Amino acid sequence: AQSVTQPDIHITVSEGASLELRCNYSYGATPYLFWYVQSPGQGLQLLLKYFSGDTLVQGIKGFEAEFKRSQSSFNLRKPSVHWSDAAEYFCAVDSGAGSYQLTFGKGTKLSVIP
Amino acid sequence: DGGITQSPKYLFRKEGQNVTLSCEQNLNHDAMYWYRQDPGQGLRLIYYSQIVNDFQKGDIAEGYSVSREKKESFPLTVTSAQKNPTAFYLCASRVRGDTEAFFGQGTRLTVV
Repeated sequence: AQSVTQPDIHITVSEGASLELRCNYSYGATPYLFWYVQSPGQGLQLLLKYFSGDTLVQGIKGFEAEFKRSQSSFNLRKPSVHWSDAAEYFCAVDSGAGSYQLTFGKGTKLSVIP
Repeated sequence: DGGITQSPKYLFRKEGQNVTLSCEQNLNHDAMYWYRQDPGQGLRLIYYSQIVNDFQKGDIAEGYSVSREKKESFPLTVTSAQKNPTAFYLCASRVRGDTEAFFGQGTRLTVV
């Protein structure tokens, strides 16, 4: 079964610092990969997605992610964090095998120090 | 505007009662999903449906039931067999596997 691991439960960064959130998946083929963001008590908003092609993908709010097949990773990055980026971030994977099953990691909570 | 509507936003029930959470979408999406969210657990898949009149169990289907009689609707029933039903429930939909999922605003269920 496919699975997603987000190793960091909680990350704290200073405003203006760079950010990297880690995501590893277990599926052997090239899955469809997603990053979502959630504010407290709200639904999830898509930040970016990877299906194929260029392994560096750009998303909204200045986020980017890089797909590394050799490491089964899809890490999220941002060069300079803003206080409004404080939220919980989820990585998700669809196996791409036509099952439509969408599996999420446990999330990483980001705190930003002014 | 197109979107996914979950209702109600907050729901309170007594222990032992079944309760149904509503999810409606007007995006013409084929696939719909129900997730449960608990602190520190991320989103866990309860059920999903690729087409009308068909659905599959996710990782934590025990104590839950669903139906998909219409493309637009995917209600979730939390039965009395669910041992710990208090949680935040999220509904999502998408066109197919290679597209992103869109989420509703969630329903917070509290069982007392």
